[in-house]
Amino acid sequence: EAQVTQNPRYLITVTGKKLTVTCSQNMNHEYMSWYRQDPGLGLRQIYYSMNVEVTDKGDVPEGYKVSRKEKRNFPLILESPSPNQTSLYFCASSFGGSPSYEQYFGPGTRLTVT
Amino acid sequence: SQQGEEDPQALSIQEGENATMNCSYKTSINNLQWYRQNSGRGLVHLILIRSNEREKHSGRLRVTLDTSKKSSSLLITASRAADTASYFCATGAGGTSYGKLTFGQGTILTVHP
Repeated sequence: EAQVTQNPRYLITVTGKKLTVTCSQNMNHEYMSWYRQDPGLGLRQIYYSMNVEVTDKGDVPEGYKVSRKEKRNFPLILESPSPNQTSLYFCASSFGGSPSYEQYFGPGTRLTVT
Repeated sequence: SQQGEEDPQALSIQEGENATMNCSYKTSINNLQWYRQNSGRGLVHLILIRSNEREKHSGRLRVTLDTSKKSSSLLITASRAADTASYFCATGAGGTSYGKLTFGQGTILTVHP
């Protein structure tokens, strides 16, 4: 089944404890991206990748890191999480090296930083 | 700045009625997409319209794009209770923002049986 998977789905952590949220797609998509969703703010793009080893900042990249060593994986790293990073996070992927195609979304990761 | 902004923020209608949501954006775009989200779950793609298109249909959905007004509308005809969800527009820009996809704040649609 074609899908985007994210792990973990739920995470409660403490300020400053490094964490990684994994994202994997099995559709051989070139484009992948991360979003955070907060009430009243819609989805905001954190980082995107148009191909392996190519990543770039979205609108809210501060406090996050990403890497794209393989086509299928695009992990999101929070080196020192803070409470303002409490949010619902989505990974998405699409065919082609741009966002000009249908985005396939993962199920989301709900992160709470205390 | 917020690129895609939907209006209204919330819409409540009866089953069988049509629902219209609007999206405005600020800069030139390559395409505009509409997505649906059920209660905190992942978004599902509905339709994509490119900047050189004016109207597109998919089942009960009709999307229009007016690049001169920098706006788009999503019409859902003969709505059903199952259409209850949040709807988002997303814009893909060109130039230095080529890889970015910007979502609006969404319209919450409630369809009463």
